Amino acid sequence: GAVVSQHPSWVICKSGTSVKIECRSLDFQATTMFWYRQFPKQSLMLMATSNEGSKATYEQGVEKDKFLINHASLTLSTLTVTSAHPEDSSFYICSAKGGLNEQFFGPGTRLTVL
Amino acid sequence: AQSVTQLDSQVPVFEEAPVELRCNYSSSVSVYLFWYVQYPNQGLQLLLKYLSGSTLVKGINGFEAEFNKSQTSFHLRKPSVHISDTAEYFCAVSEGNTGKLIFGQGTTLQVKP
Repeated sequence: GAVVSQHPSWVICKSGTSVKIECRSLDFQATTMFWYRQFPKQSLMLMATSNEGSKATYEQGVEKDKFLINHASLTLSTLTVTSAHPEDSSFYICSAKGGLNEQFFGPGTRLTVL
Repeated sequence: AQSVTQLDSQVPVFEEAPVELRCNYSSSVSVYLFWYVQYPNQGLQLLLKYLSGSTLVKGINGFEAEFNKSQTSFHLRKPSVHISDTAEYFCAVSEGNTGKLIFGQGTTLQVKP
């Protein structure tokens, strides 16, 4: 149980376009999901906390207008990178909060902006 | 504010040797502690967690960790490693009831034949 999926697993786009990444909890309901960003050889940096039915809470330094998060249902959160630029290229990982503060992680999405 | 420090960025070890990956945390409140493993181009998999109770926690793949409150440490150990244990390991502390995780910098475990 406790499986989280992400789609797509990788995406290549042109600079200036927008990209949407989906995060789904497949076998449980998650009122809270998290979005992380990971640069090569580095740790995970929390970008935002996504709560079902309410606005996301962004970490300091994360542009909320650039990284749009929508948590429309108890099993789906989406991250849209708007007007992507090469510096947005990264590995984006989502997680869903389970009981006892445990998080279940998705497999990640590799974004490359040309 | 909470923080996590993984003292070793890389740990090379020979196959079947024991290994310890070190993790120290700082927090002014009670914490939940986690160890995750990440294989290349994949998400994170939970190895083990400390929530309360026994300070010695056993996880998957033969790993265990010991919570030491006085030393604010949560070191990960395995008595005999395999080639397949080569991966990135992250220690994390959970922030109160929000469930937010604060990660350490990661330790690359390199198991050599």
